[in-house]
Amino acid sequence: KQEVTQIPAALSVPEGENLVLNCSFTDSAIYNLQWFRQDPGKGLTSLLLIQSSQREQTSGRLNASLDKSSGRSTLYIAASQPGDSATYLCAAPHGAGGTSYGKLTFGQGTILTVHP
Amino acid sequence: KAGVTQTPRYLIKTRGQQVTLSCSPISGHRSVSWYQQTPGQGLQFLFEYFSETQRNKGNFPGRFSGRQFSNSRSEMNVSTLELGDSALYLCASSLGDMRPGLSGELFFGEGSRLTVL
Repeated sequence: KQEVTQIPAALSVPEGENLVLNCSFTDSAIYNLQWFRQDPGKGLTSLLLIQSSQREQTSGRLNASLDKSSGRSTLYIAASQPGDSATYLCAAPHGAGGTSYGKLTFGQGTILTVHP
Repeated sequence: KAGVTQTPRYLIKTRGQQVTLSCSPISGHRSVSWYQQTPGQGLQFLFEYFSETQRNKGNFPGRFSGRQFSNSRSEMNVSTLELGDSALYLCASSLGDMRPGLSGELFFGEGSRLTVL
């Protein structure tokens, strides 16, 4: 059974800071790991997908890393802005192959607040 | 390219009623997954459909059901609504192929917020 944990649960930083969000998962037999952003009352926006064969994936000011052997992923946000304020969710497939069809196990999220 | 579309966005029902939610996936995506999001339980997987067949199912009672049509659009139904069914119901679409090396990226809609009174 896949379990995903995110640390910290909440983070408040001043604008301009670089920050790291952490995610750990228990079942390392995964094909990929995905990071999402959720604004209040909204759906999930996919930020980055890291394939198991990759170690890093970058999109703009975002960089995500994946270490399957240790069961960890980090999301690095550079030069944070107030518009980055949202809940960030890490999600790993529930298992390998067929048992994971469409089924992601989500962490509880990190609530990020960036102050102007 | 249009994203995942869910309707209705908001609805209010009373206990005992039933509800049907609709999801139109991204064009070309054949897999549709459904999730329930509540403040207490977070995001929980309901089921996944691919080419009109349910491939995966979460741990929800039989009151929760779904189906997928030949155009990949999907509906989920909740019968005999309970207060605890109040939640944001999210639909996600993907190409559906889980072979190693392929994307498997899920794209979510804005959700349908259900309130049960």
